[in-house]
Amino acid sequence: AQKVTQAQTEISVVEKEDVTLDCVYETRDTTYYLFWYKQPPSGELVFLIRRNSFDEQNEISGRYSWNFQKSTSSFNFTITASQVVDSAVYFCALSGFTGAGSYQLTFGKGTKLSVIP
Amino acid sequence: DTGVSQDPRHKITKRGQNVTFRCDPISEHNRLYWYRQTLGQGPEFLTYFQNEAQLEKSRLLSDRFSAERPKGSFSTLEIQRTEQGDSAMYLCASSSGTTGSTDTQYFGPGTRLTVL
Repeated sequence: AQKVTQAQTEISVVEKEDVTLDCVYETRDTTYYLFWYKQPPSGELVFLIRRNSFDEQNEISGRYSWNFQKSTSSFNFTITASQVVDSAVYFCALSGFTGAGSYQLTFGKGTKLSVIP
Repeated sequence: DTGVSQDPRHKITKRGQNVTFRCDPISEHNRLYWYRQTLGQGPEFLTYFQNEAQLEKSRLLSDRFSAERPKGSFSTLEIQRTEQGDSAMYLCASSSGTTGSTDTQYFGPGTRLTVL
């Protein structure tokens, strides 16, 4: 069975601070994909990044960066110089082939980030 | 190109009533997923369609739930004899991909169901 753990339930930071959201996963699959989604108060899940299990290169996109470490089964997400618009719930998710043709996502419980002006 | 759309956005119903939700995926996306999200939790998988075929159902999907995707386009999710425990956000996602490849799922805005 697959499992995603986001130990941080809520985080509050002051604007312009850096913040890291933790994600630890469990899977028996050798090939799998990891995702981060953002859910603002409006409720719609917004895709941020996808990473496959064979690519451990870190990635940076503007103020966002991701650190994938297979040895510790972690896929952490850092926001640099946070802004009020970053306030949202962030979900880490894991996808693996189920054999029935589905690539269903297994989500963590999410981390609620509040950026205070 | 528009994203995934869902209708209605909100639904309030009385216990025991039937409700139906609709999802329109991104054009030409062959894969469609339904998830359910309760307060303070991440979304949980309900069911999956590849084109018009429903290939997988979660054990969360009781006999009161049924989903269809006629002609491989839009999808409907029906809940019969609703219970208060069905109150949740129902999310639809679509993606494109070929057999053996995973892909990115794009989500709609969800339908928030409240059962009184």
